[in-house]
Amino acid sequence: GQQLNQSPQSMFIQEGEDVSMNCTSSSIFNTWLWYKQEPGEGPVLLIALYKAGELTSNGRLTAQFGITRKDSFLNISASIPSDVGIYFCAGLLGGSQGNLIFGKGTKLSVKP
Amino acid sequence: DGGITQSPKYLFRKEGQNVTLSCEQNLNHDAMYWYRQDPGQGLRLIYYSQIVNDFQKGDIAEGYSVSREKKESFPLTVTSAQKNPTAFYLCASKATGSYGYTFGSGTRLTVV
Repeated sequence: GQQLNQSPQSMFIQEGEDVSMNCTSSSIFNTWLWYKQEPGEGPVLLIALYKAGELTSNGRLTAQFGITRKDSFLNISASIPSDVGIYFCAGLLGGSQGNLIFGKGTKLSVKP
Repeated sequence: DGGITQSPKYLFRKEGQNVTLSCEQNLNHDAMYWYRQDPGQGLRLIYYSQIVNDFQKGDIAEGYSVSREKKESFPLTVTSAQKNPTAFYLCASKATGSYGYTFGSGTRLTVV
């Protein structure tokens, strides 16, 4: 099936640092979503992006829909310990039935 | 409050036994999904259903079965044919016309 390349696979950062992660694909997407999964729980939607070039914030989180429609970025500013978890990107291909394609996740660890 | 409920949270079964995981939603969502999550593998689609009494195989359907007799319910049976069933299973639902999935809190299945 289609693949989303999410990087980095994992990050170990100090509290207060900024974080950046991204997802890329060889295919064009119409929608990009970013989810966060805390240990032992299901993913929760953080940000949804619907237009190329769109930049959307949710508190300390900012996500962008790439101009080429083949990538998306998520930034977390001034990280705190509760930011730990796995962050997933998900995309919806144009003309698809509506099934999201998920990246493999970025595992974030924050040291107090 | 509307939501999606998976039960049980933890499930232990002996090798060779079939086991059924429950997923119920009261969000009035039409589409429902089952994903399997293994460390470092991201989310892999097992089965999905866009409407009652209809469902389609995902990327890793072998060894699994589902039913969709009611809009609210989408149970997943892990059969003895599934070679490596120990994993974290996530159920999700989506409203028609929207893009984001709502996930349950997952069931961790351990086969011994």
